[in-house]
Amino acid sequence: RKEVEQDPGPFNVPEGATVAFNCTYSNSASQSFFWYRQDCRKEPKLLMSVYSSGNEDGRFTAQLNRASQYISLLIRDSKLSDSATYLCVVPMDTGRRALTFGSGTRLQVQP
Amino acid sequence: NAGVMQNPRHLVRRRGQEARLRCSPMKGHSHVYWYRQLPEEGLKFMVYLQKENIIDESGMPKERFSAEFPKEGPSILRIQQVVRGDSAAYFCASSPGGSYAYGYTFGSGTRLTVV
Repeated sequence: RKEVEQDPGPFNVPEGATVAFNCTYSNSASQSFFWYRQDCRKEPKLLMSVYSSGNEDGRFTAQLNRASQYISLLIRDSKLSDSATYLCVVPMDTGRRALTFGSGTRLQVQP
Repeated sequence: NAGVMQNPRHLVRRRGQEARLRCSPMKGHSHVYWYRQLPEEGLKFMVYLQKENIIDESGMPKERFSAEFPKEGPSILRIQQVVRGDSAAYFCASSPGGSYAYGYTFGSGTRLTVV
């Protein structure tokens, strides 16, 4: 199993729609999880941290299911400015001290 | 706080030349991570350094690539005898204390083009 797996998309949704992305991870010992956003040819930027069962920040909700080892990101009331690639990030396998980035899910919000 | 500073933003090298990429972490951060992003691919971990120490270089190619983070000055990622396949965006991130509990802050990256 890959350390982090994401559906690459693209997800094409109209403005105002609700969209959800899933991410599965292999390291069952992981405690910290993150969602990053990356705009085309820019650096990744931290969107949300997920430590327990989930986290909510405005239109964005992240949920964690430890039993099934997946994380989800829900975006409500999509805006054009939400168009980007969303990266699921988890700690590397035990014994390594860095973060593993998923390949990302591309979202395109259309007018 | 100037954030993580990387330079140059763009670097063009001919095959066989050397490329040096620099990264200055955020103020107060002493841990630096280098990632590479090939075109249309995700970020791949390369190396994790503290001041004067390489902590984890498991993602570094075995040859031609090296990294350092001296006591004074920026972290340097060095690629010797570059080849076309080295063309990529190289991102540096920093964190305080080696904990990823709060995620990383990335620099704007260096885009290396090998011609």
